[in-house]
Amino acid sequence: DIVLTQSPTTMAASPGEKVTLTCRASSSVSYMNWYQQKPGASPKLWIYGTSKLASGVPNRFSGSGSGTSYSLIISSMETEDIATYYCQQCCSTLTFGSGTKLEIK
Amino acid sequence: EVQLVESGGGLVQPGRSLKLSCLASGFTFSNYGMNWIRQAPGKGLEWVASISSSSSYIYYADTVKGRFTISRDNAKNTLYLQMTSLRSEDTALYYCASLNYGSSYWGQGVMVTVSS
Repeated sequence: DIVLTQSPTTMAASPGEKVTLTCRASSSVSYMNWYQQKPGASPKLWIYGTSKLASGVPNRFSGSGSGTSYSLIISSMETEDIATYYCQQCCSTLTFGSGTKLEIK
Repeated sequence: EVQLVESGGGLVQPGRSLKLSCLASGFTFSNYGMNWIRQAPGKGLEWVASISSSSSYIYYADTVKGRFTISRDNAKNTLYLQMTSLRSEDTALYYCASLNYGSSYWGQGVMVTVSS
């Protein structure tokens, strides 16, 4: 089974700062999805197909990567971006990364 | 509006069984694969099981294989998860989710606590 390793586990960013979250797969995957989860809420699809923004996601978010290395990038951190972000690969069996908790500095 | 409403959770003793249900509305349930995903308190997301739209394809995480059974009734727009031989490590919030390329829908989750 494919294992997804996210880094860092936790990070704090200042408003306006550029943020890069990383997800590494134990084997090559076709593409990566990302979910945002805020405390007490269900996860939301945030980025799909490696680089496509889900409906309603601000364009300060972007995704990139291929093979075994993928990234979620926030060009300019905002307070509302505080959340935990999970990467996820599919498709017969699914795997989630362990998550990166993003805090405001 | 798409809605997924889970039910059937609760406190159960180790070794016992529990059956979760997820009632879907707002979309053509019979056209979509469905999933159960769980989240232990304070922990990350763990995929549990998937079932295709017609139940032809079913997959399980190794951690639940042989103990959990996913099923669906398209006539009732309902997804199920039969859980047997429950362990303390199965304690989690269980989400029903439709995960599609470009869109996803999640329920609010139902809590399962396995404890004596």
